Amino acid sequence: SQTIHQWPATLVQPVGSPLSLECTVEGTSNPNLYWYRQAAGRGLQLLFYSVGIGQISSEVPQNLSASRPQDRQFILSSKKLLLSDSGFYLCAWSVRGREAFFGQGTRLTVV
Amino acid sequence: LAKTTQPISMDSYEGQEVNITCSHNNIATNDYITWYQQFPSQGPRFIIQGYKTKVTNEVASLFIPADRKSSTLSLPRVSLSDTAVYYCLVGVNNNAGNMLTFGGGTRLMVKP
Repeated sequence: SQTIHQWPATLVQPVGSPLSLECTVEGTSNPNLYWYRQAAGRGLQLLFYSVGIGQISSEVPQNLSASRPQDRQFILSSKKLLLSDSGFYLCAWSVRGREAFFGQGTRLTVV
Repeated sequence: LAKTTQPISMDSYEGQEVNITCSHNNIATNDYITWYQQFPSQGPRFIIQGYKTKVTNEVASLFIPADRKSSTLSLPRVSLSDTAVYYCLVGVNNNAGNMLTFGGGTRLMVKP
């Protein structure tokens, strides 16, 4: 069966520090991968999506970047965090024509 | 991508049937309609997906009229644990990179 791993669950980082959130998927090949951010009480904002290794599409210009070094690995990064980067980050995967499956999320607080 | 419009919030009571309607006037021929449920501090969870007419599973029913410009998620006999945010998505998820774009969702509050 397919599973998605996202870590860490919570993270507190100072302003100006770097960020690296990792997401891995098991049990499927060549999935579409997504990174979302959700502010408190708000909907999900799509940040990045990827349809293959090294293929990244950005939806919103921001202080973040994404990479897909392996088929089932998706990484969200920042060189210098801002206060506005705080939020709930979710990784998701899907295959063609099917629904998406989400990780448990990372609660990031930038202080 | 077709834009969706849902009520911001709804209230209901335990045991009642809840119907949440989503408008998607610009739905394309190849688009599917998918609903997700999200609890606080968790990722959304797939509920149901359909293309036309009616789809039913163990959790919900999805009603889609012939013109497909709207859809209604029906939750039978809700309980307190159904309190969550419900999202309607319209699109075709293919390897051309179709995005899963969420709208604001409907916040359902089930009261005792």
